[in-house]
Amino acid sequence: QAVVTQEPSLTVSPGGTVTLTCGSSTGAVTSGHYPYWFQQKPGQAPRTLIYDTNNKHSWTPARFSGSLLGGKAALTLSGAQPEDEADYYCLLYYNGPRVFGGGTNLTVL
Amino acid sequence: QLQLQESGPGLVKPSETLSLTCTVSGGSMSSKSYYWGWIRQPPGRGLEWIGKIYNSGSTQYNPSLRSRVTISVDTSKNQFSLKLTSVTAADTAVYYCVVDTFMAHWGQGTLVTVSS
Repeated sequence: QAVVTQEPSLTVSPGGTVTLTCGSSTGAVTSGHYPYWFQQKPGQAPRTLIYDTNNKHSWTPARFSGSLLGGKAALTLSGAQPEDEADYYCLLYYNGPRVFGGGTNLTVL
Repeated sequence: QLQLQESGPGLVKPSETLSLTCTVSGGSMSSKSYYWGWIRQPPGRGLEWIGKIYNSGSTQYNPSLRSRVTISVDTSKNQFSLKLTSVTAADTAVYYCVVDTFMAHWGQGTLVTVSS
């Protein structure tokens, strides 16, 4: 089974920009992996921010964007807010099964 | 707006079978071309994708769980279910049901503890 890798932790200043990445042990991440990005705050169910690389749900703040960058999926947060402090998970599709990354704990400080 | 709610025992004994049901409200499952899925999260750890099922009954499972997992669907009841056999303490987790297509809808999650 493929292994999906994320930065364990990142810190961003309020108002700053940060990029979280999602890599695959099988090689470059492509649109065919249909990358998803989720936000999870303590005690809450995850919330989907991005699907199929760069598509947003109606509730996704405009400051979040998804892309492919350097062979990885990427989630960019531009203009970080204190409420963006959370765990972020990516999810990749492998011709049937999906695999989550280990998650990135994002601190806004 | 679809809503999902997990139900089932919160405590399961080791070696027994974990059984959960997800009830879908706010729309008919049979009218949706969606995959319905299950995801779990052990306490203090990350998310794990378990599997998904289409209305036709077609399934996809996490290879690491495939030998123990069965997901089924009953569109007449607007429900889909998860069975996980031969459970151990490692299966203790919050179990979420989701609309796997676009992942827009999640249940609130239910904690299942495996303990004697």
